[in-house]
Amino acid sequence: DTAVSQTPKYLVTQMGNDKSIKCEQNLGHDTMYWYKQDSKKFLKIMFSYNNKELIINETVPNRFSPKSPDKAHLNLHINSLELGDSAVYFCASSQGSWGTSYEQYFGPGTRLTVT
Amino acid sequence: KNEVEQSPQNLTAQEGEFITINCSYSVGISALHWLQQHPGGGIVSLFMLSSGKKKHGRLIATINIQEKHSSLHITASHPRDSAVYICASLRGTSGSRLTFGEGTQLTVNP
Repeated sequence: DTAVSQTPKYLVTQMGNDKSIKCEQNLGHDTMYWYKQDSKKFLKIMFSYNNKELIINETVPNRFSPKSPDKAHLNLHINSLELGDSAVYFCASSQGSWGTSYEQYFGPGTRLTVT
Repeated sequence: KNEVEQSPQNLTAQEGEFITINCSYSVGISALHWLQQHPGGGIVSLFMLSSGKKKHGRLIATINIQEKHSSLHITASHPRDSAVYICASLRGTSGSRLTFGEGTQLTVNP
């Protein structure tokens, strides 16, 4: 069984479009994250949700909006896509509440290409 | 300067060699992650440690909190170990925030 799943795996779209990436975890974890990996393979946190509450919101354009309908899901919606948004986006989850240190489990990634 | 620095950036080894990848961080942390990113892109957590040493199969991770330094060792390396190895600091007191190093690309030749 997949612990952290993301859909779609690949997403090719044109500039200006709005798209969503979905993430689901079946581990019963309390905290979920979105990370962006740029073309230089550098990973950086974008958002973190703990029990459906936004905890971390890094310096990310407000075109990016995370939505957590329940503890097991954290979706990423992107408005007015730009070329610079092309990257691989990873979802992750960890157990425990905010401020605790637990191992994070990563999804397979979504490769977004904006043309 | 990144908060988390790794060395070397690239490492090529022959099968069977002992490999060490280093990670230094500049702020106090609650734990340190070592991650492996496969050529296909998937990320797997190898270790999370806050003190001492952990071992899993041929992989060993150590951390020295006072020196703000961690190492990942691979014994008897194999071509299937070829991957990017990433260390990431976890600052638990300010939340479960991972800050990543730039990764070490390891290539093990047969």
